[in-house]
Amino acid sequence: AQKITQTQPGMFVQEKEAVTLDCTYDTSDPSYGLFWYKQPSSGEMIFLIYQGSYDQQNATEGRYSLNFQKARKSANLVISASQLGDSAMYFCAMSPFMNYGGSQGNLIFGKGTKLSVKP
Amino acid sequence: SQTIHQWPATLVQPVGSPLSLECTVEGTSNPNLYWYRQAAGRGLQLLFYSIGIDQISSEVPQNLSASRPQDRQFILSSKKLLLSDSGFYLCAWNLAGGPNEQFFGPGTRLTVL
Repeated sequence: AQKITQTQPGMFVQEKEAVTLDCTYDTSDPSYGLFWYKQPSSGEMIFLIYQGSYDQQNATEGRYSLNFQKARKSANLVISASQLGDSAMYFCAMSPFMNYGGSQGNLIFGKGTKLSVKP
Repeated sequence: SQTIHQWPATLVQPVGSPLSLECTVEGTSNPNLYWYRQAAGRGLQLLFYSIGIDQISSEVPQNLSASRPQDRQFILSSKKLLLSDSGFYLCAWNLAGGPNEQFFGPGTRLTVL
């Protein structure tokens, strides 16, 4: 069965510093996708970044980068130059298989990490 | 551009009452649609997904049901709410044949008393 583990219930980071949020996953599927979402206090889930299991390079989106280590089954999120607005819950998620050919693409979520950015 | 709407935003209902939450997507055709529930301080649990009109799959046995009467409309229902149904309900969509990132609506916060 697929599983996402986020071992850090809460993290603190100083404004303008970088922070790494950990995520490990377990799957027997040969192809899969990995995602990070941000959930501010308003509740909306905001998509941040995506990494395909066959992608050769680590994904980057602005201040977000995904440190993908396939052999270790880890997909850590790195946020550079933290801002006060980065304070939120962060969820790592996985889809069991790539959404080619009409699959439903269900996402499996971890329990999240609460990030607090200190001024 | 695509947008996803959910209503109501908040709801307080007594135990045993019915429920109807609605989700609509604009700006796309034939999306995959999903209902998730998030209990307080927890991750998301997939409840239902749909790959087309009247095509619903349930992930978790419960007293909830889902329907998709139109291509871009997804409804979550219950005939009799339980206290354990309280939570934050999120609707999401993505497109078949592409990357699997899902795009979420603003959510409905349901409190069952």
